[in-house]
Amino acid sequence: DAGVIQSPRHEVTEMGQEVTLRCKPISGHDYLFWYRQTMMRGLELLIYFNNNVPIDDSGMPEDRFSAKMPNASFSTLKIQPSEPRDSAVYFCASRPLSDEQFFGPGTRLTVL
Amino acid sequence: AQKVTQAQTEISVVEKEDVTLDCVYETRDTTYYLFWYKQPPSGELVFLIRRNSFDEQNEISGRYSWNFQKSTSSFNFTITASQVVDSAVYFCALSGGRGDQGAQKLVFGQGTRLTINP
Repeated sequence: DAGVIQSPRHEVTEMGQEVTLRCKPISGHDYLFWYRQTMMRGLELLIYFNNNVPIDDSGMPEDRFSAKMPNASFSTLKIQPSEPRDSAVYFCASRPLSDEQFFGPGTRLTVL
Repeated sequence: AQKVTQAQTEISVVEKEDVTLDCVYETRDTTYYLFWYKQPPSGELVFLIRRNSFDEQNEISGRYSWNFQKSTSSFNFTITASQVVDSAVYFCALSGGRGDQGAQKLVFGQGTRLTINP
């Protein structure tokens, strides 16, 4: 099993640009999560999906952030327009019905 | 509201010493889950253990052991005979148990940066 796959691993962009982060969960996992890690706020849950349906997006910071899961094997987190304060490491995680969450390697985003 | 507190921001010890990382949690749920994750310098998050609120037995896995005490709302992690490869940031986390949906939201502590010096 390849584990959770995230791309890109590093992204550097300029303020105002659109950023799209991608995630492929582990096959067969029912849940998918997006987290953000910063020095100031630590690890925060942004949104999670169950069977491709968004269940809780209360952690999404503002309307500039959106997430989709068009099928069981792919999800995106989009930031439009990006701002310097969005700079962080973004993690995707997945889990089966009753087990721990498995995290991807993360995407380090830098917004200049 | 759920909360996890890891009061130790950084710990530095010499190799082969034992070290304990503290974790205190707050929750109103009667059923909940506690976790420890390791984040090595490479950045990924590695799952170490999950414990449900009804299982207070201590657990040992090699040099790692966990002490869960509901009376003090603590879930401490001890590394025995520490090694340089144990150097990482360690996170304690909590999820609720109100049905399957409640069990999904992991709340993380701020992490403890552990440095093992040779």
